[in-house]
Amino acid sequence: AQSVAQPEDQVNVAEGNPLTVKCTYSVSGNPYLFWYVQYPNRGLQFLLKYITGDNLVKGSYGFEAEFNKSQTSFHLKKPSALVSDSALYFCAVRDEFLSGGYNKLIFGAGTRLAVHP
Amino acid sequence: GAVVSQHPSWVICKSGTSVKIECRSLDFQATTMFWYRQFPKQSLMLMATSNEGSKATYEQGVEKDKFLINHASLTLSTLTVTSAHPEDSSFYICSARTGTGVVNTIYFGEGSWLTVV
Repeated sequence: AQSVAQPEDQVNVAEGNPLTVKCTYSVSGNPYLFWYVQYPNRGLQFLLKYITGDNLVKGSYGFEAEFNKSQTSFHLKKPSALVSDSALYFCAVRDEFLSGGYNKLIFGAGTRLAVHP
Repeated sequence: GAVVSQHPSWVICKSGTSVKIECRSLDFQATTMFWYRQFPKQSLMLMATSNEGSKATYEQGVEKDKFLINHASLTLSTLTVTSAHPEDSSFYICSARTGTGVVNTIYFGEGSWLTVV
């Protein structure tokens, strides 16, 4: 079955330091992977996605993610964290083989990123 | 990126009444929309997948007679919570899929807070 795991409930980083939010996945076929960010009381904002091609994907707000097929990981990274990056981050995988092709997203549990001044 | 709008953002209703939440894709046609429910500090739970012009596909455990979904046009899907009870209080988020095929992206609305008193 398809699944997504975000092993850390919370990540704490000092402003200016690099950050990593971890994500691992399990799929039957080719993985289509996504990162979304959620600010308090708001919907989800799309950050980036991996479909195919270059393993390093660049997204919004300076974020990037590296697809690693052998480790089945898609960790989110940023070279220099900002206090304004503090939010809830969700990794998601598209389920391409179920639901009649409707392309449902399967979400991880979320990781809360706290960037301290 | 594409814009998905939800209305209302906040709604309070009395127990036993029904409330409707709208989800609109503002700058694209969405053949498929998704409705999620999110409890505080938890991940998103997919409730149903809505396709324009056809009946919604509900996830296991979601009462279709309680959560009525109508996808009347390519830009509008509605979720009606019927005979609402306090346990229905939650954050409801819709999303819409742009285009077709595997490279499309799913964009989310800002969410709607429902409080049943």
